[in-house]
Amino acid sequence: GESVGLHLPTLSVQEGDNSIINCAYSNSASDYFIWYKQESGKGPQFIIDIRSNMDKRQGQRVTVLLNKTVKHLSLQIAATQPGDSAVYFCAENTRPGNTPLVFGKGTRLSVIA
Amino acid sequence: NAGVTQTPKFRILKIGQSMTLQCAQDMNHNYMYWYRQDPGMGLKLIYYSVGAGITDKGEVPNGYNVSRSTTEDFPLRLELAAPSQTSVYFCATGKGLAGVGEQFFGPGTRLTVL
Repeated sequence: GESVGLHLPTLSVQEGDNSIINCAYSNSASDYFIWYKQESGKGPQFIIDIRSNMDKRQGQRVTVLLNKTVKHLSLQIAATQPGDSAVYFCAENTRPGNTPLVFGKGTRLSVIA
Repeated sequence: NAGVTQTPKFRILKIGQSMTLQCAQDMNHNYMYWYRQDPGMGLKLIYYSVGAGITDKGEVPNGYNVSRSTTEDFPLRLELAAPSQTSVYFCATGKGLAGVGEQFFGPGTRLTVL
């Protein structure tokens, strides 16, 4: 399944399938991006980050892709598990260097067992 | 290590009342942040601090005040609470601002203003 970002805030995926969560950003000056996972009733947890000098970064079961040409960021989760059900936020710094992050509205991922 | 702790977990205030949301960290991070999260929305930065004695406004500072007298503590003060301040408040810490690693979040304080 694929989310087209903020316009489809809920993504339902079958357990075991791959998930793709998208995020569009508007500021071409942003040079650092980060994905957070927030489970119900908890604070956000770091998943993975990427700098603008990279277009791909992999973690454990997760991959972040950055397309600066179209200002698009995606989070891919391999073999989605019920424990992946949460709201996923992308965040960016909107000015180069050490500036506070700006968070998107988030996408809710629901895993169907 | 406790990480980032926040108290209280829940609070109901009447319009016009004041309160202080507490945030403490034992990670020895210089940077601390306060966010609010409205239902179904992302996080908005209220205030942040790059070290003891230094604070800066974020995106939505109106109606709030902060202080940072120690590295460990970063309390958020609400004066004259308003219904628009009903939200979940998250404190976070980090080694630096964006580009210098992740932020670590506390469990949140759910505030309702009636």
